[in-house]
Amino acid sequence: DAAVTQKPRYLIKMKGQEAEMKCIPEKGHTAVFWYQQKQSKELKFLIYFQNQQPLDQIDMVKERFSAVCPSSSLCSLGIRTCEAEDSALYLCSSSGQGGGAETLYFGSGTRLTVL
Amino acid sequence: QQQVRQSPQSLTVWEGETAILNCSYENSAFDYFPWYQQFPGEGPALLIAIRSVSDKKEDGGFTIFFNKREKNLSLHIKDSQPGDSATYFCAASAYTNTGKLTFGDGTVLTVKP
Repeated sequence: DAAVTQKPRYLIKMKGQEAEMKCIPEKGHTAVFWYQQKQSKELKFLIYFQNQQPLDQIDMVKERFSAVCPSSSLCSLGIRTCEAEDSALYLCSSSGQGGGAETLYFGSGTRLTVL
Repeated sequence: QQQVRQSPQSLTVWEGETAILNCSYENSAFDYFPWYQQFPGEGPALLIAIRSVSDKKEDGGFTIFFNKREKNLSLHIKDSQPGDSATYFCAASAYTNTGKLTFGDGTVLTVKP
């Protein structure tokens, strides 16, 4: 069972609109990761939070996304201006102290479609 | 250049057979290799993982064989069942303390009854 909750499950936006998706990490987990998956292919790392602070992110996120973890129980990933290439499944994952991959759990994702 | 490669892209086996999924990597700094199973509409779930200090890891019907010198590994699914039909991802991490993983493109496994 997914201990990481993501909402909404589906999101449809027009090109140019703003999008926001939320993630509730597993209770007690201090590390949160966001990944992007297109067409059921490889997962692409986007950003990593440790104790609500962003520690690592790719350039695309810096330029076009907004990601925050205002509390240990809620994180959000936003896209300021959606483009067609942003259509993907966005997966949030969390892990225990230290961000260890051994305790990494994924949510079911938010599927974003940009028209 | 893709850092983690998987083959084949798709694999079909009969129920009861052993499915073999392959993975290779480029970065010598990778030292933790999890395999994830993903069903349609769901997020990936950790199946089994191995650290580079080991050459074999078994868990139930799943076995990872790891060759550090050749930078490749394989996942063997013994006695495959139709319920094992899913996409399997090989991933790699440079530090066992981080969930920042580099994923392969996945292998779509179909198990026919």
